[in-house]
Amino acid sequence: EIVLTQSPGTLSLSPGERATLSCRASQSVSSSFLAWYQQKPGQAPRLLIYGASSRGTGIPDRFSGSGSGTDFTFTISRLEPEDFAVYYCQHYGTSLLTFGGGTKVEIK
Amino acid sequence: QVQLQESGPGLVKPSETLSLTCAVSGYSISSGYYWGWIRQPPGKGLEWIGSIYRSGNTYYNSSLKSRVTISVDTSKNQFSLKLSSVTAADTAVYYCARHTTNYGWADYWGQGTLVTVSS
Repeated sequence: EIVLTQSPGTLSLSPGERATLSCRASQSVSSSFLAWYQQKPGQAPRLLIYGASSRGTGIPDRFSGSGSGTDFTFTISRLEPEDFAVYYCQHYGTSLLTFGGGTKVEIK
Repeated sequence: QVQLQESGPGLVKPSETLSLTCAVSGYSISSGYYWGWIRQPPGKGLEWIGSIYRSGNTYYNSSLKSRVTISVDTSKNQFSLKLSSVTAADTAVYYCARHTTNYGWADYWGQGTLVTVSS
């Protein structure tokens, strides 16, 4: 079973700064099966990135994803006030869906 | 526009069975995709519970498999979750979602419903 470890647990940044989040898989996975979600308080998760690097419908280009094998990165190039939220990576495999523990991006 | 809406009791007693339904609009379940349940305990992360395909094939999280049943009613365009022998640890917001069969990302989610297990 694939385990996804996200780091850091919390990222304290100011609007306009760059956010870099990590998702590490316990074994090598295909990037096709790696997605990223944003969740704001009281809301359902929202798909941002699929296939490790493709943006979902209507997702601004300040959001990007990269990586391969066991190491994946999610980047917000310039934080907007509405980007402060929790971000999850997710893998799809033989155990179907597996989520990372999440990274909270908070206002510094 | 695809929409999913969860419904069911917000309070369940310990040892009883939690039952939720997800009504889908804007897309026919019979047309494809997996239809899944994901939960989130208060203040914690996301946990996949299980998913069902239009054919009725089901896939469950191994840690919950003995207590979970997911079914689909294509005539009503809805699918359901039953979780038996609940405890306080099953208190969570329960989401239904649509996810692709090939690469697995979940593109549409319900708003979620809080289910509390308490006597």
